[in-house]
Amino acid sequence: EVQLVDSGGGLVQPGGSLRLSCAASGFTVGSKYMSWVRQAPGKGLEWVSVVYTVGTTHYADSVKGRFTISRDSSKNTLYLQMNSLRVEDTAVYYCASHRSDYGDHPSSQYFDSWGQGTLVTVSS
Amino acid sequence: SYVLTQPPSVSVAPGKTATITCGGNNIGSKSVHWYQQKPGQAPVVVVSYDSDRPSGIPERFSGSNSENTATLTISRVEAGDEADFYCHVWDGISNHWVFGGGTKLTVL
Repeated sequence: EVQLVDSGGGLVQPGGSLRLSCAASGFTVGSKYMSWVRQAPGKGLEWVSVVYTVGTTHYADSVKGRFTISRDSSKNTLYLQMNSLRVEDTAVYYCASHRSDYGDHPSSQYFDSWGQGTLVTVSS
Repeated sequence: SYVLTQPPSVSVAPGKTATITCGGNNIGSKSVHWYQQKPGQAPVVVVSYDSDRPSGIPERFSGSNSENTATLTISRVEAGDEADFYCHVWDGISNHWVFGGGTKLTVL
């Protein structure tokens, strides 16, 4: 059974840093596309970042240059390093694994398993 | 960047049919996926690839996609269907995944 467990959230001051973790079980993180998706309080879902099986990464414009996605196969864990945090980064952050029924191209991927989310609060 | 437009809210009586739309430029050329999110929970995919139903999703959930509008249809709506629904596509221009703004389904 696929399971994702998010952790690492907390309260941080503007300009600060935080690293989120997503521990996976039931599959290896390197075998699937993996993304981070966030949801500000009372708002909708916003995709943040992805790492492909081949290691390619992409970021939403709102976090590019400040956030870094990575994975550790030995720990079977996905990470999101968040630097230069802003008040508007306050959100619940979910990790999500992708699934494709039609090959490995990004256009055929959707999110099929999600972590429980971890809350990041950026405030002074 | 690619924009998906959903109505903020839809209301329906129990037993009736709910229709939630997702508008986007030539969205009919993309694969659209729909997620249901109940309060305090992570999203769950209810329709993939425009009209496929993942394992465990009731047949009451169906989807379609053509030209500039994708549609999620929920038949014989139940009180337990009340949730936020999001459409989702991949934008090949930006290499980003894009969500619609979400639609709150209220069962009267």
